[in-house]
Amino acid sequence: GDSVTQMEGPVTLSEEAFLTINCTYTATGYPSLFWYVQYPGEGLQLLLKATKADDKGSNKGFEATYRKETTSFHLEKGSVQVSDSAVYFCALSAPPGNTGKLIFGQGTTLQVKP
Amino acid sequence: GAGVSQTPSNKVTEKGKYVELRCDPISGHTALYWYRQSLGQGPEFLIYFQGTGAADDSGLPNDRFFAVRPEGSVSTLKIQRTERGDSAVYLCASSPELTPSTDTQYFGPGTRLTVL
Repeated sequence: GDSVTQMEGPVTLSEEAFLTINCTYTATGYPSLFWYVQYPGEGLQLLLKATKADDKGSNKGFEATYRKETTSFHLEKGSVQVSDSAVYFCALSAPPGNTGKLIFGQGTTLQVKP
Repeated sequence: GAGVSQTPSNKVTEKGKYVELRCDPISGHTALYWYRQSLGQGPEFLIYFQGTGAADDSGLPNDRFFAVRPEGSVSTLKIQRTERGDSAVYLCASSPELTPSTDTQYFGPGTRLTVL
């Protein structure tokens, strides 16, 4: 079945460091790919998304490119801030049925230290 | 505007009891989803409503779980004969359903269910 695999956390970085969180997927058909973020004490919210191969999603300095050849959607940011500390979830929405049902990875905790 | 709201925020119950969890989606959103998140895991899909009807209930773990959305807005997730393994955070999300597979889903804060 469809699935998402994320790198194990926690990831601990110093402020202004470069961030990569790896995400790979298995899906039939052509899924849409998402990164959701959960800040401490808050609900899940969309960070960025890409709906077809080679699309790049971007928001708040974060980027991810939909790579069909490597079935990946790695999250990157050039310079992290303490306020980026959160749990990051990679997810996919795959046909058939077009229901929008999301399949999530297990989440990666990011801690940024000043 | 108002986001997705869920009540109660916390629910503690005893094994074998019945519970109801409520979700108020964003006004005008026709798609509504329930997910369950266990500690340290990503959310797992339970059920999807398109308007009043359950279009996909493939994630409901067994027949103790049931959900309704009678008027196409508020939804209630019902769990009968609760078990300790049902303890989790139950999340609700809604989307405008312009294109379900690519729509952004807006999540509520969740209901933390603890079964003693």
